[in-house]
Formats: sequence, C-alpha cells, structure tokens
Amino acid sequence: DTGVSQDPRHKITKRGQNVTFRCDPISEHNRLYWYRQTLGQGPEFLTYFQNEAQLEKSRLLSDRFSAERPKGSFSTLEIQRTEQGDSAMYLCASSLRILAEISTDTQYFGPGTRLTVL
Amino acid sequence: SQQGEEDPQALSIQEGENATMNCSYKTSINNLQWYRQNSGRGLVHLILIRSNEREKHSGRLRVTLDTSKKSSSLLITASRAADTASYFCATDAQNTDKLIFGTGTRLQVFP
Repeated sequence: DTGVSQDPRHKITKRGQNVTFRCDPISEHNRLYWYRQTLGQGPEFLTYFQNEAQLEKSRLLSDRFSAERPKGSFSTLEIQRTEQGDSAMYLCASSLRILAEISTDTQYFGPGTRLTVL
Repeated sequence: SQQGEEDPQALSIQEGENATMNCSYKTSINNLQWYRQNSGRGLVHLILIRSNEREKHSGRLRVTLDTSKKSSSLLITASRAADTASYFCATDAQNTDKLIFGTGTRLQVFP
C-alpha cells in the first residue's frame, strides 16, 4: 500500500467556480479526515468520516463546502462558488479505529491539494 | 482555532546539534502527537504519546509530556540537514477524535 493519495495536487481556479478534490485513504482504514492549512499555520479540522458516515463537521465548513464518502472508501470534498479566502492546502488523513475504547488512532496524511483561487 | 502553540516559532542550528521544540496546549487531552512537514508537502507522523505517559523515544526523537503544565517537548538529537522542516504538535481533546494542531516550529539545520 502506498499510503493516502490526493488528487489533484494543485488546482487553480477563478472566484465563483466549483472545485472538487478526491482523497483515497489507506485501504483498510475506516476513518477519513479533511483538514485545511493556510500559509504559516497548522492544519485546521474540517470534517471526518467513519466508513460512510460523516460524524463531525467544523463550523469552518460553510454551506459552500460538502464532503462525501459514499462507499466508505474514497472521499470527495467539493467547494462551491469559491472565494479567494478558500485558497489553502487541503489535507486528507486516514486512520484505523479498531476498538471503541482507543481514544485516538494515528492519522496518516496525504500530500495535500493546494488550491489557489484567483 | 489552534489548540497549541509551539515555541520557538523558528529555530536554526548546525548539523550535529540537538534541537528542542516545545508545545503548550489548553484543554485536557487523551494523546499528543508530533508531525513533521516538509515545505509544501503533507504531514508525516513522528510519534504519539498518551496522556498517561511521561516520556517516549523513537530513534533520534525524544518526546516528553507534562499534563500538569499542559506542555510537551520534542528533542531531535544529532540533527541532520534532512531534518529541516516544520514540526507540529497535535492534540485530541477528550470526547473528540479530531486533531487540533499548534502553529508549528520551523527548523532549519545547516550542513
């Protein structure tokens, strides 16, 4: 297994356009996370899935953002009507939750998708 | 919002020297993790320390955790130019599975 992959690696778009990013997690991982990182800052949590269920969403995830994980494998993150403030690196991570009592699993990150909104 | 803050924000050292980075956080945690990020790349997991642990080692890395002070430190011994990167601590607040990252320390190791 080659780890978490994300596509595309770079995306340049004009303000007002819609964009969609894809994340393929490590194959046996049941949890998938999306984070956003702006220049000079640490990543900020957006949302996460356990299998196909979206369990938590940050208030950073406005109505223009939607994430799906339809079959519990890959996930997509769509941004509608992009704004310049959406320019950032979008990071995906996955982990394997085996037991309910394990509070946190190691999250493995993909290379990210860098979005530039002109 | 960021949970933690790393200190210093930037650190420059010579190869062979040790590098120490500190992280402070605000709320009670289950675990604390350290990640490395090369410029423009994704994050690489370095080490996880649980709230009931005080120290952990992995190769040239040594992590300590002081839950009473809500702080952690990452020590990289015998640094190499390849260690040049940004280092982030990440915590999970109790009753949540998301990671909350600090602002990072940018480490530059000169050959």
